[in-house]
Amino acid sequence: DQQVKQNSPSLSVQEGRISILNCDYTNSMFDYFLWYKKYPAEGPTFLISISSIKDKNEDGRFTVFLNKSAKHLSLHIVPSQPGDSAVYFCAASAKDTDKLIFGTGTRLQVFP
Amino acid sequence: ETGVTQTPRHLVMGMTNKKSLKCEQHLGHNAMYWYKQSAKKPLELMFVYSLEERVENNSVPSRFSPECPNSSHLFLHLHTLQPEDSALYLCASSQDWDSASNEKLFFGSGTQLSVL
Repeated sequence: DQQVKQNSPSLSVQEGRISILNCDYTNSMFDYFLWYKKYPAEGPTFLISISSIKDKNEDGRFTVFLNKSAKHLSLHIVPSQPGDSAVYFCAASAKDTDKLIFGTGTRLQVFP
Repeated sequence: ETGVTQTPRHLVMGMTNKKSLKCEQHLGHNAMYWYKQSAKKPLELMFVYSLEERVENNSVPSRFSPECPNSSHLFLHLHTLQPEDSALYLCASSQDWDSASNEKLFFGSGTQLSVL
C-alpha cells in the first residue's frame, strides 16, 4: 500500500506557464515533506521542503503548498522553463521513523 | 571530485553471475543508503548504514549483500539475481541517519542493472 501517491505520471506545460505537480499521502504521522528532481542519467536532487507546521514554502520560482486536512501537497513552478523538464518525486517522513517514503514520480515536460 | 559517485553506470549480468556495485561519497557524511527504483514504482529503501553499522534492512532478499568498509564507501554485492531485480540502484548519503528525514539526501547517478 503506497503511503505517498503521485497519481499523474506525466505533465506537459508550455514555457512561461505554471506547472502544478500534486502529491497525496495517507499517513497522518508524516510531518515533513520534500520534493526531489531527477534528470535522466542523474540521481535525484533535493528541490524544496516543507514542515507540517507550515502551509506554504517558497523558493524562487518554486512553491510548495501543504493541505494537512486533505493530506495533499503540491509543487508550483512559475514561470516554467524548458530546463525544468525532469521527473519530480514527492517524499514524506514521520519523526519517529526517520525514513523517507517516496512517491512514484511525475515526469514534467516544458515545451517552448 | 565531489558528491556521491556510483560505478558502474550500467551493468548487465546473468542470473548465475556475481557482481558488485560501488558507491563513494566525498561529503563527509555519516549515513549511506541503497535505494532501488523499478519502473513505475516508488524509490524503495533497501539498506541504511550509519557510521559503518547497518541500521536498516528493509526485508531485502539475501541475494543482495551490502558492505560498508568505511564511512565513505558502500558496496552492494549481487549474486544469483532474478530478472525482476532489474532496476536502477541508487546510492545516497546524508549527514546523519537520525536527521535524514529532516535534511537532504544526496544521491549518486545510479547503476542501471539488467539481469538476463
